Amino acid sequence: NAGVTQTPKFQVLKTGQSMTLQCAQDMNHEYMSWYRQDPGMGLRLIHYSVGAGITDQGEVPNGYNVSRSTTEDFPLRLLSAAPSQTSVYFCASSPYGQAPHYGYTFGSGTRLTVV
Amino acid sequence: EDKVVQSPLSLVVHEGDTVTLNCSYEVTNFRSLLWYKQEKKAPTFLFMLTSSGIEKKSGRLSSILDKKELSSILNITATQTGDSAIYLCAVGYNNNDMRFGAGTRLTVKP
Repeated sequence: NAGVTQTPKFQVLKTGQSMTLQCAQDMNHEYMSWYRQDPGMGLRLIHYSVGAGITDQGEVPNGYNVSRSTTEDFPLRLLSAAPSQTSVYFCASSPYGQAPHYGYTFGSGTRLTVV
Repeated sequence: EDKVVQSPLSLVVHEGDTVTLNCSYEVTNFRSLLWYKQEKKAPTFLFMLTSSGIEKKSGRLSSILDKKELSSILNITATQTGDSAIYLCAVGYNNNDMRFGAGTRLTVKP
């Protein structure tokens, strides 16, 4: 039972480069989301999806794109990396599409550094 | 503006002590309040509290939701070094909104 799998675990990018953080879950969860965690600021929602083909913006969406072509996968794309995007990124899923209020399963995180 | 505030930001205790962590919130259309424990990596789910379930207990951990005061506490009794972690509070509101507090870093010394 893999749960939520994130890759890569670590990444260093140069300013202006683009990349995709991968997230896959094998629990048939409807709801998936991406958070970033910065010291002193807690977890902040970037984008989320309530099902395949449906995505929406969270609290800090600028500079990031997402898509949800399948129930299992929810990749996060950084379009043109900036030092302000240095952070730890978590993917999280929940069984319920319309109400993610029952507890998330988190991936193990990706530590991204933009230089 | 919707917000979730946790206090204290950090706490150092000795094994055997009892600790109380606080979470207060201001959101529209409150749905749920959740507590997570974050050790080295991913947060793990502890409790969910809603209007229909305002108190939860699991072993040495317990949590209460006070809807009148718009707050929740997480109690840990007889603390152990394995309780050292960041404890996160999250509030679900509206349909799909979820906001996290900054967390409380608990250190339990032997």
